[in-house]
Amino acid sequence: KAGVTQTPRYLIKTRGQQVTLSCSPISGHRSVSWYQQTPGQGLQFLFEYFSETQRNKGNFPGRFSGRQFSNSRSEMNVSTLELGDSALYLCASSFSSGVEAFFGQGTRLTVV
Amino acid sequence: AQTVTQSQPEMSVQEAETVTLSCTYDTSESDYYLFWYKQPPSRQMILVIRQEAYKQQNATENRFSVNFQKAAKSFSLKISDSQLGDAAMYFCAYRSLYEQGGSEKLVFGKGTKLTVNP
Repeated sequence: KAGVTQTPRYLIKTRGQQVTLSCSPISGHRSVSWYQQTPGQGLQFLFEYFSETQRNKGNFPGRFSGRQFSNSRSEMNVSTLELGDSALYLCASSFSSGVEAFFGQGTRLTVV
Repeated sequence: AQTVTQSQPEMSVQEAETVTLSCTYDTSESDYYLFWYKQPPSRQMILVIRQEAYKQQNATENRFSVNFQKAAKSFSLKISDSQLGDAAMYFCAYRSLYEQGGSEKLVFGKGTKLTVNP
């Protein structure tokens, strides 16, 4: 059974640009959550999608957005990148009635 | 809002010895889940152990066990017979059962970096 797949693994962008990150959950998982991990703030919840609907949202500016497709794959988009957006972005998926969240290996975003 | 605190930024242990990582949390809820996740240099978060708040019995998974003290809001992880492969960042996490829409949002502590010395 394939795990959670995040692409790309590494990304370098310039301030002001926008970026799209992708997450393919484990087959059968309908919930996808996104987290931002930085040395200073630790792991912070961005948002969660379930059956193509945003179910919860963290305290991030509107530049951070996401969506989920009918096959449960999810994308997150960050517009007008700032240096402070440099982070590891982790995606997690879970079965609808499950407890455990399974994480991908993350996308390392560097903004220069 | 719930908070999770890990007071030990770094810990070290000798191979084959036992180490305990601390975690405290703040919540007004009576039912919730608690987790310990491990993040090795590969960056992938791996679930180590979980505890349901309604269960009084402490969870155990092979060499990993927890000491869950609900009244004290404490959830420590004990690693017995430490192995070199246990070296990683360890995160304590809280999941509410009352998040909007049944959300599975996790609230994480800042982590403890565990070094295992040969």
